[in-house]
Amino acid sequence: AQSVTQPDIHITVSEGASLELRCNYSYGATPYLFWYVQSPGQGLQLLLKYFSGDTLVQGIKGFEAEFKRSQSSYNLRKPSVHWSDAADYFCAVEGAQKLVFGQGTRLTINP
Amino acid sequence: DTEVTQTPKHLVMGMTNKKSLKCEQHMGHRAMYWYKQKAKKPPELMFVYSYEKLSINESVPSRFSPECPNSSLLNLHLHALQPEDSALYLCASSHRGPEETQYFGPGTRLLVL
Repeated sequence: AQSVTQPDIHITVSEGASLELRCNYSYGATPYLFWYVQSPGQGLQLLLKYFSGDTLVQGIKGFEAEFKRSQSSYNLRKPSVHWSDAADYFCAVEGAQKLVFGQGTRLTINP
Repeated sequence: DTEVTQTPKHLVMGMTNKKSLKCEQHMGHRAMYWYKQKAKKPPELMFVYSYEKLSINESVPSRFSPECPNSSLLNLHLHALQPEDSALYLCASSHRGPEETQYFGPGTRLLVL
């Protein structure tokens, strides 16, 4: 069965610093991969997705993610974070007609 | 427009009440989903409707009853809930199926007393 691991439960970075959130997946076939962001009390907003093709994907709000099949990873990056990026971030993989989420990473931004 | 709307935003109900959550999308999507999300946890899939037919039920208790009256509307009927059912209930839709991007609504925050 497919699964997603986000090793970091909570990350704190300073405003203006770079960010990388890790995501590892387990899936037998070519995965469809997603990153969603959830601000407090809100629904989930899609940041970016990987279906096929170019392994470096550009998303909204200045985020990008790189699919590395050899490492079964789909890490999320941003060169310079803003205070408004503080939120919960979920990596997800589609498999067997379901979207399976990782446990999420809470991002805190220091001013 | 990639908007999924959900009403109400908040709901407080007693364990003997009957209430309904409503979800609507006008993107022409033919797959719709209900998720349950507890605090500090990822969303958990409850139900999937594909072309207005229930295609996945993740062993959800019968006190939750989904309904898809048409391709734009998804309801979740609630009856005799337990306090542990308190959570954020999220609706999502996608073009045809889970292999495509799911767009989420803002959720209904449910408190069962």
